[in-house]
Amino acid sequence: GAGVSQSPRYKVAKRGQDVALRCDPISGHVSLFWYQQALGQGPEFLTYFQNEAQLDKSGLPSDRFFAERPEGSVSTLKIQRTQQEDSAVYLCASSPRLITEAFFGQGTRLTVV
Amino acid sequence: GNSVTQMEGPVTLSEEAFLTINCTYTATGYPSLFWYVQYPGEGLQLLLKATKADDKGSNKGFEATYRKETTSFHLEKGSVQVSDSAVYFCALSGAAGNKLTFGGGTRVLVKP
Repeated sequence: GAGVSQSPRYKVAKRGQDVALRCDPISGHVSLFWYQQALGQGPEFLTYFQNEAQLDKSGLPSDRFFAERPEGSVSTLKIQRTQQEDSAVYLCASSPRLITEAFFGQGTRLTVV
Repeated sequence: GNSVTQMEGPVTLSEEAFLTINCTYTATGYPSLFWYVQYPGEGLQLLLKATKADDKGSNKGFEATYRKETTSFHLEKGSVQVSDSAVYFCALSGAAGNKLTFGGGTRVLVKP
């Protein structure tokens, strides 16, 4: 596709359940970023990949959060044992190199009940 | 660390009114500054940017000037349209260019 694609668009999880969120970046984009956007707030950085290398994971809020990009293209953000405070929109962005050139996907809205 | 503060919304305006959204920042070094817009049901889109002091970014009738002396990057539009109704985010990026720090967003509602 022409843009960054995220799936699912909406996910409802029971507390304690594991979830996996997928991001398909724009073809050829080297860099991929994950952000978390709580309701009514601005996005907050989670993690950054350059190709398959995870260069910065300083924003991951706990060890329940894990991201991977094994072949340098599609990325998955996994959240284990979800909690209510994980409810947010998870945004993925890709760019040829820098975040300043990035295109954002529409996000996955996660609701933990 | 870096931070961005922007005025809280919602901001409600009539069509053709003048819009200003204030944004101030705290950062080390010389950040690049951005305004992103999120239309209902859509993803974040880059609206405009400025990479050094006194630069003016502009797009779709919106403007913002990078003011280092006041650490500000206020967004302005002279005559808003109903289609400008959206949430606007001010953001900055450090020299490494691999992380954006966003403000909390300002919802703008333009009424006919």
